[in-house]
Amino acid sequence: EAQVTQNPRYLITVTGKKLTVTCSQNMNHEYMSWYRQDPGLGLRQIYYSMNVEVTDKGDVPEGYKVSRKEKRNFPLILESPSPNQTSLYFCASRGRDSELGTEAFFGQGTRLTVV
Amino acid sequence: AQTVTQSQPEMSVQEAETVTLSCTYDTSESDYYLFWYKQPPSRQMILVIRQEAYKQQNATENRFSVNFQKAAKSFSLKISDSQLGDAAMYFCASRDGNQFYFGTGTSLTVIP
Repeated sequence: EAQVTQNPRYLITVTGKKLTVTCSQNMNHEYMSWYRQDPGLGLRQIYYSMNVEVTDKGDVPEGYKVSRKEKRNFPLILESPSPNQTSLYFCASRGRDSELGTEAFFGQGTRLTVV
Repeated sequence: AQTVTQSQPEMSVQEAETVTLSCTYDTSESDYYLFWYKQPPSRQMILVIRQEAYKQQNATENRFSVNFQKAAKSFSLKISDSQLGDAAMYFCASRDGNQFYFGTGTSLTVIP
């Protein structure tokens, strides 16, 4: 089954404790990205990657890091989480533009709470 | 950067009736894509329909259709014969190049 898999689904952590949210896709997609969803703000792009070792900042990159060492994986790293990073996070991927490849496929979401 | 505006935070519709969700966007690009995503309580983001800007014909997917007005930068979603399972948050989104831009969402309630 074609899918984007995020882990964990839920995470509660304390301020300053480094954490990683994993994301993996099995569709051989070139493009992957991370979003955060906050009430009244919709989804905002954090980082995106066009291919292995190629990443770029989205609209809200502060406080986050990413890496793309393998095509299928795109982890999101919070080196020193703060309460304002409490949010719902989504990983997404998409293939090259074509009649079937224009949209993003999303993971199940990760609910992060930083106390 | 693009901006996507959904001016209706909440909408409701009677079961079997038709409802239209509004969306406007702002882009200077000539080549872009538009999408409607549905987010039910499970939080999963599900693609409802997509529209390529270069296509003049409005996209349709079963009970879902769009009214794409390129000059007005408007992209509304019409849901016909509304069903209880249509109750969800709906996000309008645009993409140019590698970045997606999302609206703030419209919460749709379906009344039995």
